[in-house]
Amino acid sequence: GAGVSQTPSNKVTEKGKYVELRCDPISGHTALYWYRQSLGQGPEFLIYFQGTGAADDSGLPNDRFFAVRPEGSVSTLKIQRTERGDSAVYLCASSLNGAPGIADTQYFGPGTRLTVL
Amino acid sequence: AQSVSQHNHHVILSEAASLELGCNYSYGGTVNLFWYVQYPGQHLQLLLKYFSGDPLVKGIKGFEAEFIKSKFSFNLRKPSVQWSDTAEYFCAVITGYSSASKIIFGSGTRLSIRP
Repeated sequence: GAGVSQTPSNKVTEKGKYVELRCDPISGHTALYWYRQSLGQGPEFLIYFQGTGAADDSGLPNDRFFAVRPEGSVSTLKIQRTERGDSAVYLCASSLNGAPGIADTQYFGPGTRLTVL
Repeated sequence: AQSVSQHNHHVILSEAASLELGCNYSYGGTVNLFWYVQYPGQHLQLLLKYFSGDPLVKGIKGFEAEFIKSKFSFNLRKPSVQWSDTAEYFCAVITGYSSASKIIFGSGTRLSIRP
């Protein structure tokens, strides 16, 4: 595809429900990242994948949050027992993962706006 | 912990004014620095980046930024702003040598341009 895509664009759910957010990275990009952006703040790192494996999940706030990337392409961010504080825009980015020593440019998707009532 | 500070939360300028947005980071080792922009209703886009070499980096739409290592700064500049520059600007850093790693973002500066 031309860019990173995310679905749904908006998700409204009730407190305590389970949600899944999907990210389709740019074709050929091996690195995929999830960030969360609260109102008035910059994006905050959650997790990133190198291929199918989570290379760094240090940003996940607690064990209600989980992400997978089973085939090294599409990724799903899963949130269990949602809380009102989970309301935010969830951003996905991907990068080519080229030569060591030079940080890849990360290309961002439009985000999923999650609202927990 | 590594962090990025953007001290200006909201900047209001008239068209043709000069712009400088401040950015400071806290990390003593190798850094890769970025400015991202988010236009109203659009997603984050890369404005410019610094990896190594010339500390004065030129980006799209007439923007530039200067990396000053001694000041841990990476300020964004534009000599003459336009109404279309109205957006949210984020400074960001990647630390270390990995090609793929998390970005640490500042809290953003909202730029409003009066026509």
